[in-house]
Amino acid sequence: KNEVEQSPQNLTAQEGEFITINCSYSVGISALHWLQQHPGGGIVSLFMLSSGKKKHGRLIATINIQEKHSSLHITASHPRDSAVYICAATRNYGGSQGNLIFGKGTKLSVKP
Amino acid sequence: DGGITQSPKYLFRKEGQNVTLSCEQNLNHDAMYWYRQDPGQGLRLIYYSQIVNDFQKGDIAEGYSVSREKKESFPLTVTSAQKNPTAFYLCASSRGGKTGWYYGYTFGSGTRLTVV
Repeated sequence: KNEVEQSPQNLTAQEGEFITINCSYSVGISALHWLQQHPGGGIVSLFMLSSGKKKHGRLIATINIQEKHSSLHITASHPRDSAVYICAATRNYGGSQGNLIFGKGTKLSVKP
Repeated sequence: DGGITQSPKYLFRKEGQNVTLSCEQNLNHDAMYWYRQDPGQGLRLIYYSQIVNDFQKGDIAEGYSVSREKKESFPLTVTSAQKNPTAFYLCASSRGGKTGWYYGYTFGSGTRLTVV
């Protein structure tokens, strides 16, 4: 079982829909990251959170430490939101403390 | 603007040849990382360096080598010993140290290596 699990693996939505991507983790972490990867491959960091909720524009990220679960929400989705969204966790244990462990990503496609 | 530069974006090599991927940052970050991405899999850590002249193996270091002679540069060599070198390679950096992660990570745009 992967230490960081994302769902769904693929998601297709119509423009304007509310989107939720989920992430669960099974290890001790210092922080949870949501990243966006565009078709060219480069990755942009969207959020880093260790508790509660953060909002940036139409994007909202939440984390529940007790349940070891995080969600990324996109309100009023737009075709330009189409990308792969990756959940990653900063390890707080072992020799690789501070390093990231990644989920497999969720490929989002928003249709006009 | 500060950032990470990876070059080249696409790289083709013949089987059995070593190849070096470049990663340069001007963020004054102490820590640098190399990740490998394969279709359907999450990014996996190859090597990381927390300080100049020091680096550590990650989860999949076999067949790879790195150096960290300068703070700004962390080149990755894919050797002929790497059995499946075709992949997307991503470099990242952070402030480093025990709390450097708090300031987040910066990622490069990646290099797609194809071995034929």
